[in-house]
Amino acid sequence: QKEVEQNSGPLSVPEGAIASLNCTYSDRVSQSFFWYRQYSGKSPELIMSIYSNGDKEDGRFTAQLNKASQYVSLLIRDSQPSDSATYLCAVAIFGNEKLTFGTGTRLTIIP
Amino acid sequence: GAVVSQHPSWVICKSGTSVKIECRSLDFQATTMFWYRQFPKQSLMLMATSNEGSKATYEQGVEKDKFLINHASLTLSTLTVTSAHPEDSSFYICSAPNRAEISYEQYFGPGTRLTVT
Repeated sequence: QKEVEQNSGPLSVPEGAIASLNCTYSDRVSQSFFWYRQYSGKSPELIMSIYSNGDKEDGRFTAQLNKASQYVSLLIRDSQPSDSATYLCAVAIFGNEKLTFGTGTRLTIIP
Repeated sequence: GAVVSQHPSWVICKSGTSVKIECRSLDFQATTMFWYRQFPKQSLMLMATSNEGSKATYEQGVEKDKFLINHASLTLSTLTVTSAHPEDSSFYICSAPNRAEISYEQYFGPGTRLTVT
């Protein structure tokens, strides 16, 4: 079983709709969770970090964490064509800065 | 946030030569930096952890004699690809956690695209 799993997609969402990206992790001692956006040919860009159960909102982005279910998600409201990218979920164990990445979900926003 | 730079952004070299890639943290100190490699349409692969003032820690399967890492200061780590071959052609990316932030969020450099001919 992979340590961090994501649906590879592609996920197609109409412009203006909500895009929902999901990630599950296997290590229960995971403490820090991150969402990165990667455009084709570019390096990853940090979008959100979350550490506590519940929701964390930043602009059009909301990260949701459920440690009991070992599940973290990213919601993108009012999706824009510029949101089309690969979204990477990353997990870190407390005190360990090394990140474990999922394989990424390719998101396409359809105008 | 924090800014991490890489140099060069792209490089073409001949097979058998060596290439050095620099990773700098511009507005924070980074005692640890990470080096990744990414092939087209694949996910990031962690190669090694660069530690300031000590030896790098390499992931399983990564040849330490081929990928030399030096972390000589709190803001600079270098990756040298020695005796490069076409199969080393890839996108090399570094990242660094900003320990001034409680969350230790990691920031990535813009990457270096290496082509070995």
